[in-house]
Amino acid sequence: SAVISQKPSRDICQRGTSLTIQCQVDSQVTMMFWYRQQPGQSLTLIATANQGSEATYESGFVIDKFPISRPNLTFSTLTVSNMSPEDSSIYLCSVGVLGGAGNTEAFFGQGTRLTVV
Amino acid sequence: GENVEQHPSTLSVQEGDSAVIKCTYSDSASNYFPWYKQELGKRPQLIIDIRSNVGEKKDQRIAVTLNKTAKHFSLHITETQPEDSAVYFCAASRYSSASKIIFGSGTRLSIRP
Repeated sequence: SAVISQKPSRDICQRGTSLTIQCQVDSQVTMMFWYRQQPGQSLTLIATANQGSEATYESGFVIDKFPISRPNLTFSTLTVSNMSPEDSSIYLCSVGVLGGAGNTEAFFGQGTRLTVV
Repeated sequence: GENVEQHPSTLSVQEGDSAVIKCTYSDSASNYFPWYKQELGKRPQLIIDIRSNVGEKKDQRIAVTLNKTAKHFSLHITETQPEDSAVYFCAASRYSSASKIIFGSGTRLSIRP
């Protein structure tokens, strides 16, 4: 398993500003992911944070809007840039831990509830 | 791209009855299928998973079945209890240390007393 600390837990931000969310894991992990979960909706994968290289973004998400850092195997940040009310959502950090059977099991941080006003 | 569809979106069952949630996936290379439970205001938690070399797996009141030919899998909860009320997500991924997990749209399960 993995213990994930994500902060801030919530924030209210002015439109046009940026917010950086931090994710710290208690052990080295290969895979770190960032998800967005809008109220009452599913988890949408934003990108895979790769250590030592640029993040891999999913369709509909771009680096200029959601820059990601992954300086080492235990830490990552997601920045939500030039925010608009449509960015109001819960952002979740997730890590992939290789299970004993070879599968990747996902563990989640507690999430960051972002409100843009 | 990869896609996971989940049904129903909401489900209400009488306490003690069974609940079934169904999912289909599009990526034929998917071979690992976890289920997550998310209670209100909390993070998703893994409750059970199944690999493609197994057709069924059971853990107390929870069971999952997988039909790899049809690319669908299901979650079965028997003898439902009030604490089973939550949103349940199915997911699919490939069997590797670098695989991402794609989630279904979620099912809000309510248990009626």
